[in-house]
Amino acid sequence: GAGVSQSPSNKVTEKGKDVELRCDPISGHTALYWYRQSLGQGLEFLIYFQGNSAPDKSGLPSDRFSAERTGGSVSTLTIQRTQQEDSAVYLCASSSDRGRRNTIYFGEGSWLTVV
Amino acid sequence: KQEVTQIPAALSVPEGENLVLNCSFTDSAIYNLQWFRQDPGKGLTSLLLIQSSQREQTSGRLNASLDKSSGRSTLYIAASQPGDSATYLCAPFNQGGKLIFGQGTELSVKP
Repeated sequence: GAGVSQSPSNKVTEKGKDVELRCDPISGHTALYWYRQSLGQGLEFLIYFQGNSAPDKSGLPSDRFSAERTGGSVSTLTIQRTQQEDSAVYLCASSSDRGRRNTIYFGEGSWLTVV
Repeated sequence: KQEVTQIPAALSVPEGENLVLNCSFTDSAIYNLQWFRQDPGKGLTSLLLIQSSQREQTSGRLNASLDKSSGRSTLYIAASQPGDSATYLCAPFNQGGKLIFGQGTELSVKP
């Protein structure tokens, strides 16, 4: 597709369940980012993938959060044993060169509600 | 640690006004700085990217300036329109390899 694609767009889950959020970056983009935006809060960095390098996981808030990127393209963010404080919009972004010179493009986000 | 502050937090103006949104950041070791807009319930749309070696960038009615040494950027919107109503986010791209976001300026342009 032409832009960053995320699914599901909306997800309501019960506390304690696991959820998976998917991101399809722009074709050919080697860098992929996950951010989280809680209600009324700024965007919080979660994790970054660049090519075959080890991901930068420094923003993951707990060990319940993990992400993988298969084949250097699609990425999945997994939240295990969800808690109400995990409710937020999860935004994925991609860039052709890690963002040092070129624009970073964001998807529409996956809106997660934990009840 | 990079900290980004945007002033004002909210702004309401009548249609047609020229306006300035301010962004300051604490760590000047950046590669570039991006301005985004976010509409309610939507993702982020990139507006302008300024490289660290540049002083300003223009796109239509938007002009962004960057003073890296003083840690400041401004977004100038000329002849504002109701369709400009959105939250505007400033994000320097750190040498640590990620965008760091401010809290944003929520803009409302009244017809």
